[in-house]
Amino acid sequence: GNSVTQMEGPVTLSEEAFLTINCTYTATGYPSLFWYVQYPGEGLQLLLKATKADDKGSNKGFEATYRKETTSFHLEKGSVQVSDSAVYFCALIQFSGGYNKLIFGAGTRLAVHP
Amino acid sequence: EAQVTQNPRYLITVTGKKLTVTCSQNMNHEYMSWYRQDPGLGLRQIYYSMNVEVTDKGDVPEGYKVSRKEKRNFPLILESPSPNQTSLYFCASLSPGLSEQYFGPGTRLTVT
Repeated sequence: GNSVTQMEGPVTLSEEAFLTINCTYTATGYPSLFWYVQYPGEGLQLLLKATKADDKGSNKGFEATYRKETTSFHLEKGSVQVSDSAVYFCALIQFSGGYNKLIFGAGTRLAVHP
Repeated sequence: EAQVTQNPRYLITVTGKKLTVTCSQNMNHEYMSWYRQDPGLGLRQIYYSMNVEVTDKGDVPEGYKVSRKEKRNFPLILESPSPNQTSLYFCASLSPGLSEQYFGPGTRLTVT
């Protein structure tokens, strides 16, 4: 079945460092891909999305490009801030039984230190 | 403001004592869903509902029940909680096509 695999955390960086969180997926067809962020004590928020191959989603300085050839959707940010400390989830839509379902990766915790 | 609310936010209970976690959304969305979040496993879907009186099992439905008597509310019911249901639970309200997805703040449940 469809699945999402993320790099294990925690990822620990200093402020202003470059961030990459790897995400690969297994899916039939061409799913839409998402990154969600979960700040401490809060629910998930949609960070960015891409709906077709070569699309680039971007938001708040984060970017991810839908790479069909490598089945990847890596999250990047050029200069992280302490406020970016959170858990990041990669996800895809699976169309199953007449409805759309979100499949999540395990999540990657990011800790940014001053 | 578009939002999904859950109550309670925190709950400690004992094995076998029935409990309900409420979920409500104000966006008139037809599709709602419950997830549990466990370390290393991400979010796993428990139940979902495509509309009023239409519910179906997700990936991990055992030990849970839901109901959808009205569009805005989607309570999660644990008839006889067990320690393996200790988890962080999220309700989500989803627009058609999942183009807009809203999650509640979460309910942390501990079953002793």
